Amino acid sequence: AQSVTQPDIHITVSEGASLELRCNYSYGATPYLFWYVQSPGQGLQLLLKYFSGDTLVQGIKGFEAEFKRSQSSFNLRKPSVHWSDAAEYFCAARQEAGNMLTFGGGTRLMVKP
Amino acid sequence: DAGITQSPRHKVTETGTPVTLRCHQTENHRYMYWYRQDPGHGLRLIHYSYGVKDTDKGEVSDGYSVSRSKTEDFLLTLESATSSQTSVYFCAISRTLGAGNTIYFGEGSWLTVV
Repeated sequence: AQSVTQPDIHITVSEGASLELRCNYSYGATPYLFWYVQSPGQGLQLLLKYFSGDTLVQGIKGFEAEFKRSQSSFNLRKPSVHWSDAAEYFCAARQEAGNMLTFGGGTRLMVKP
Repeated sequence: DAGITQSPRHKVTETGTPVTLRCHQTENHRYMYWYRQDPGHGLRLIHYSYGVKDTDKGEVSDGYSVSRSKTEDFLLTLESATSSQTSVYFCAISRTLGAGNTIYFGEGSWLTVV
């Protein structure tokens, strides 16, 4: 079955520190991959997406993600975290020809001052 | 802004009562979706629609029905609400950008069944 896994439920980092959120997928073929962010009480905002091509993709708010086929991973990174980055982050995937997303369970990021 | 409006945004209802959530889009997208969000589960697909009167089940469709009589509106109905349906419900649309489709979400509807 197709699945997306985010191994870390909670992560706490200090403001200014670097961040990496992990995402692994299990699909028959390489899926399209997405990262979304959700602030408390809000909907989901698209941070970035990978369809094909360059395996390092840039997104909004200074985030980037790297697709690694050999590891079935699509980890999200940011070099320097700001307090406003505190939120929940969701990795998602869908088949190339599909229209439905499968989500990971989410990672809640807390930022220490 | 994905042009999606959900209503109501917050609702408290009693067990056994019917509830309808409405999703309205302004951009004429063909695909629309209803997801529910629960802690530890991320978002799970309830139902989706690929056109007027064309709908299909998702991963967690039991206890839910949908209707799409107009392109712009996608309704989610809980025929007889149960406490396990307390959740946050998100409507979404699929927008084509460049090489593929990307899904965009509404602001959510918080439903509490007491």
